[in-house]
Amino acid sequence: DQQVKQNSPSLSVQEGRISILNCDYTNSMFDYFLWYKKYPAEGPTFLISISSIKDKNEDGRFTVFLNKSAKHLSLHIVPSQPGDSAVYFCAASYSGGYQKVTFGTGTKLQVIP
Amino acid sequence: DADVTQTPRNRITKTGKRIMLECSQTKGHDRMYWYRQDPGLGLRLIYYSFDVKDINKGEISDGYSVSRQAQAKFSLSLESAIPNQTALYFCATSDSSLAGHEQFFGPGTRLTVL
Repeated sequence: DQQVKQNSPSLSVQEGRISILNCDYTNSMFDYFLWYKKYPAEGPTFLISISSIKDKNEDGRFTVFLNKSAKHLSLHIVPSQPGDSAVYFCAASYSGGYQKVTFGTGTKLQVIP
Repeated sequence: DADVTQTPRNRITKTGKRIMLECSQTKGHDRMYWYRQDPGLGLRLIYYSFDVKDINKGEISDGYSVSRQAQAKFSLSLESAIPNQTALYFCATSDSSLAGHEQFFGPGTRLTVL
């Protein structure tokens, strides 16, 4: 049972345009959501997070939006840069889960120069 | 220097062999995790440890065992490796004193079981 779903395995975007990566979840207990970025031959690195008490969190070019009623979150990257080309994992956890995180399957973003 | 290190980085072994993957961290975190990554399946939790005396199974623990030798060290063992354990393995850490749920990952071990 995939509790965190990323339905788009890949995405291509032109440099300078907006990249939108989507994520859906099924477990209503999740109250904390994270995005990780992974380059080849490296481990995932934390990118940005959002608590369920918010609907938006922004950090520079990266913004995460949370729609709790739809159980959906998205990551916006504006403007996209070639260095953003990586696999992005959506992840979710809940306060009673002792920081145990459930990951999605990942979306491979390619930013074309 | 890397905060979370994994050894070896690559390993090729044969079916039935015992394999140990090691993870060390200098972050001072109390919690450590082992994940495997497979194409199309994302990261799946194998085992996690909240301190030296607290070890818990994750969603895919069958065929694996772990040892938390110290707060900074967490090793993963495959007692008798099989081909479907071929995957990329990641160790991660987190700190229970932090409000966020951020985990910090090592660079990974690519394991191939022939």
